[in-house]
Amino acid sequence: AQKVTQAQTEISVVEKEDVTLDCVYETRDTTYYLFWYKQPPSGELVFLIRRNSFDEQNEISGRYSWNFQKSTSSFNFTITASQVVDSAVYFCALSTAGGTSYGKLTFGQGTILTVHP
Amino acid sequence: DTEVTQTPKHLVMGMTNKKSLKCEQHMGHRAMYWYKQKAKKPPELMFVYSYEKLSINESVPSRFSPECPNSSLLNLHLHALQPEDSALYLCASSQVRDIGADTQYFGPGTRLTVL
Repeated sequence: AQKVTQAQTEISVVEKEDVTLDCVYETRDTTYYLFWYKQPPSGELVFLIRRNSFDEQNEISGRYSWNFQKSTSSFNFTITASQVVDSAVYFCALSTAGGTSYGKLTFGQGTILTVHP
Repeated sequence: DTEVTQTPKHLVMGMTNKKSLKCEQHMGHRAMYWYKQKAKKPPELMFVYSYEKLSINESVPSRFSPECPNSSLLNLHLHALQPEDSALYLCASSQVRDIGADTQYFGPGTRLTVL
């Protein structure tokens, strides 16, 4: 069984603060994929990043960075110098290769991020 | 940028109505998905189509009937829904490869209200 835990239900910060969203996952598969999606109030899930289990390199994209640590089964997401437009629900998700040719996503419960001006 | 579109954006229907939700993608993806999302909850998978064939049905009630007329289109036919079916319905698409999991790209969703 697979599980994704986002322990932070809601986070509130002031603009320009840095914020880290935590994600802890559980799986018995050795090959798996981790994702982060952003869901603004409009409702659309926006893909942010995909990481496979063999690639533990951290990644930076503009103000966004991700820290993948297999030793602690964590895939945390940091927003540097947060902006009001970052306000959204953020979902961490996991899928495994398995025997199928597509991934079935297991989502965490989501973290509501509110950035105040 | 997402290239998955969904219509309508909003839908209000009575419990005796029949309606359809539509999803279209132009990314050449051969897997398409329907998700249901209740407020303050993560999306829940309903159906998966792979190469226009139904691959997964997550024990969804028969009042929801999916259809994949071609590789770019996905419909969800609704009949005799209940008020608890009110939710955001999200469509997604992805490539289908032999190995591994592919990124799912989501549409903007249809907000459904059942009266």
